[in-house]
Amino acid sequence: GAVVSQHPSRVICKSGTSVKIECRSLDFQATTMFWYRQFPKQSLMLMATSNEGSKATYEQGVEKDKFLINHASLTLSTLTVTSAHPEDSSFYICSARDTGTGGIYTEAFFGQGTRLTVV
Amino acid sequence: QKEVEQNSGPLSVPEGAIASLNCTYSDRGSQSFFWYRQYSGKSPELIMFIYSNGDKEDGRFTAQLNKASQYVSLLIRDSQPSDSATYLCAVKLRGREKGGSYIPTFGRGTSLIVHP
Repeated sequence: GAVVSQHPSRVICKSGTSVKIECRSLDFQATTMFWYRQFPKQSLMLMATSNEGSKATYEQGVEKDKFLINHASLTLSTLTVTSAHPEDSSFYICSARDTGTGGIYTEAFFGQGTRLTVV
Repeated sequence: QKEVEQNSGPLSVPEGAIASLNCTYSDRGSQSFFWYRQYSGKSPELIMFIYSNGDKEDGRFTAQLNKASQYVSLLIRDSQPSDSATYLCAVKLRGREKGGSYIPTFGRGTSLIVHP
């Protein structure tokens, strides 16, 4: 299957600092990438949809000024958690769909996830 | 009612037994259904997907879909300790399209423990 690479896999940062997470599609182009967050023992919750060359669309309740998304190329989307607080500590996962396929039967591929701990 | 519901478990089965994982969904118009396995601290990995009523088998895994009952299940035959993980059911619901792709809605997952 297609490969989505997410980096870093684990990061610890101080409260008030910013952290950038990268999501790359390695062997396909992805017009659209998705960012999820997962708290312990909870399900994946979609945070935002990242669109190449345009603004991201955020789910209700997700602060767009806090979670900055940039999708500058067809293979790279970044999520920056700004002014991080301990409650932002979570598992962040990106996924991407191969632009070359389409329809409701196309499944997206997940990155390895990033464990963010804010101290 | 939650859109995708799963019993959080844990479901504990002995090695070699059949593990049965269940999921119900609220939108009768949903068309595609997925089962993911997620090990602790790792990202989900797709095990199976199913679109049509009935059974779909892949190795030790069988997905079962009953659209009339809005129910999808995953059977794991000859369970192994390495199958111990959280199993996430995901459903692509109508109206949940973003960027040309239907977004899956995930259940909370069922924790499976296979003990030797």
